[in-house]
Amino acid sequence: AQKITQTQPGMFVQEKEAVTLDCTYDTSDQSYGLFWYKQPSSGEMIFLIYQGSYDEQNATEGRYSLNFQKARKSANLVISASQLGDSAMYFCAMRERSSGTYKYIFGTGTRLKVLA
Amino acid sequence: SAVISQKPSRDICQRGTSLTIQCQVDSQVTMMFWYRQQPGQSLTLIATANQGSEATYESGFVIDKFPISRPNLTFSTLTVSNMSPEDSSIYLCSVEGSRGEQFFGPGTRLTVL
Repeated sequence: AQKITQTQPGMFVQEKEAVTLDCTYDTSDQSYGLFWYKQPSSGEMIFLIYQGSYDEQNATEGRYSLNFQKARKSANLVISASQLGDSAMYFCAMRERSSGTYKYIFGTGTRLKVLA
Repeated sequence: SAVISQKPSRDICQRGTSLTIQCQVDSQVTMMFWYRQQPGQSLTLIATANQGSEATYESGFVIDKFPISRPNLTFSTLTVSNMSPEDSSIYLCSVEGSRGEQFFGPGTRLTVL
């Protein structure tokens, strides 16, 4: 079973609009971390935002916010006021404890295209 | 966040040969991680490299194919051995932040002919 599911292989958004990228996860751990990364066409991986499983507030980092719904096991990324430079692949990831060590699992990604 | 460099940035290799990728961090870190990203795919963790001990490999990855060195707290190498075209990927090293976030190097784009 997929641990991290990103159901949107591709998304379009108009410049200056907001967009939500979906992510659901599966874990039996009580303590885990959720992350979003951006990968532009250059190939680098850029950390965007973190949400801890015990955090009651949704995480925010500038134009990025994470809509964390623990009961539904979802951790959607919201990008406000989209810019052309936001066009990239976006990966959701989870860090959970497994067999005494931490495991880091990435989703399959969503390709976002911002339209002028 | 740490500054991470990788060498080479890209290479084209013949099948059956080996390539060693270097990863340098600007600060001392306990763990370094090696990932593979096959074309159009997500990232898969190959192994975790701790200084002074053997690397811990994930399921599907073996030391004979991907030997790793970790001679000190700022440096690691990953060798891709006896390469085949299926090894064509981006290879990334990373270090971990205080919350578990990964900070990645720029990646090594490998093409095997």
